[in-house]
Order: sequence, then C-alpha cells, then structure tokens
Amino acid sequence: AQSVTQLDSQVPVFEEAPVELRCNYSSSVSVYLFWYVQYPNQGLQLLLKYLSGSTLVESINGFEAEFNKSQTSFHLRKPSVHISDTAEYFCAVTPSGGYQKVTFGTGTKLQVIP
Amino acid sequence: ETGVTQSPTHLIKTRGQQVTLRCSSQSGHNTVSWYQQALGQGPQFIFQYYREEENGRGNFPPRFSGLQFPNYSSELNVNALELDDSALYLCASSLEKANTGELFFGEGSRLTVL
Repeated sequence: AQSVTQLDSQVPVFEEAPVELRCNYSSSVSVYLFWYVQYPNQGLQLLLKYLSGSTLVESINGFEAEFNKSQTSFHLRKPSVHISDTAEYFCAVTPSGGYQKVTFGTGTKLQVIP
Repeated sequence: ETGVTQSPTHLIKTRGQQVTLRCSSQSGHNTVSWYQQALGQGPQFIFQYYREEENGRGNFPPRFSGLQFPNYSSELNVNALELDDSALYLCASSLEKANTGELFFGEGSRLTVL
C-alpha cells in the first residue's frame, strides 16, 4: 500500500516570494508521483507528474517538483508566486503497474498575500 | 473534446436515504474512478470501473456501489446514507486500465446528509 504525507496544511506566502510545499510518500513498490491543484469549488487538475526519467519535472505555469527516491520526497516549488496561485495543492502517488488507484495526501492550502 | 461532467452539483439527503450520482467521462476515456473528499481532507479512492466492470475498490462498505455503461458513463450509488457520507464526490476518467498517470476530474457532486 502507498501513503502520502503533506507536512503543512496551510502555507501563507507573500506575492512574488518563493514557496515550497512538502510531500513525502511511502511505498514498497516503484511509483508514479503527481501534484494536483484544486481551486475553490472546482475539481482537481493535474499540475505535474513524475513517471520516469529526469527527476526534475516542471509545469507550464512555473511550478517544479523534484523526485528524491532516497528521501522518498516530491516537494513542489515555485520561485515567485502570484495571487492566482492561491489554491489547495494535493500530492498523490500510484503504483507504476496495475490499476490506477491513486492515493492522495491531505492537501496544502497555499494562500498568497498581496 | 468534452470534459468530465457530474450531476447533480449539490444535493441534500437525510439519513437512511439512497442517492445516485452520475458522471460522464471525457470523450475517448474508458476508465472511471470515484473519490470521496470530506471537508479538509484529500480525496479517498472508492472504486474504479474499466469497460463496465469494477476494477479495484478502496476501503468503503458495500453500500457504496457503482455502474459503468457501454458509453463509459458511470453512476455511484450510496444506500442507507449516514451523516459521515457528507462530502464532495469526485469522478475522474482516464484513457486506459494501464497506469498512464493522469486523471481528469469533474467538478464534483456535493452531498449533504442531514
């Protein structure tokens, strides 16, 4: 079985400041890793994913995450946040084989302060 | 292409009643997963359907059941509603049974049980 731990339930940050949202996972098998974003009153949208290859993955809106196998982490970072980044962010994991049971963390609310 | 659509968006039921939630998958997607997202929590996997058959189930009692139709749309049925069933129910579709990573979510059905 897999599990995901998001260490921070809320992260306030000033606009244009950098941010890191932390994610650690546990699994006995190889995994795929994801970050999803949920804006108020909406469903989840995929932000970025790690399947294989380069351990650093990027999104189209400036977020990046690095897969660290030894530390079982997949932290999300952005060098300069905007007001529009205010949302809840979920880290997720799924086994790299088999059916797509995706296990989500409890989420981190990113609040960007003007 | 049309995205994932869910209905109804909001509904209120009383304890002991039954509810049916509906989901139309994204065009071309043959796999549908259902998740329960309680307030302040991450989505929890209920079950997945692939080509009209249940293809994996999370830790939910049998009163949670589902169907997938030949057009890949899906229903989630919950019998004997309990107060703790109050949550946002999310449907997600994907292209294949094999694990390719990305889930496409609808905006959810918010169920309140009184």
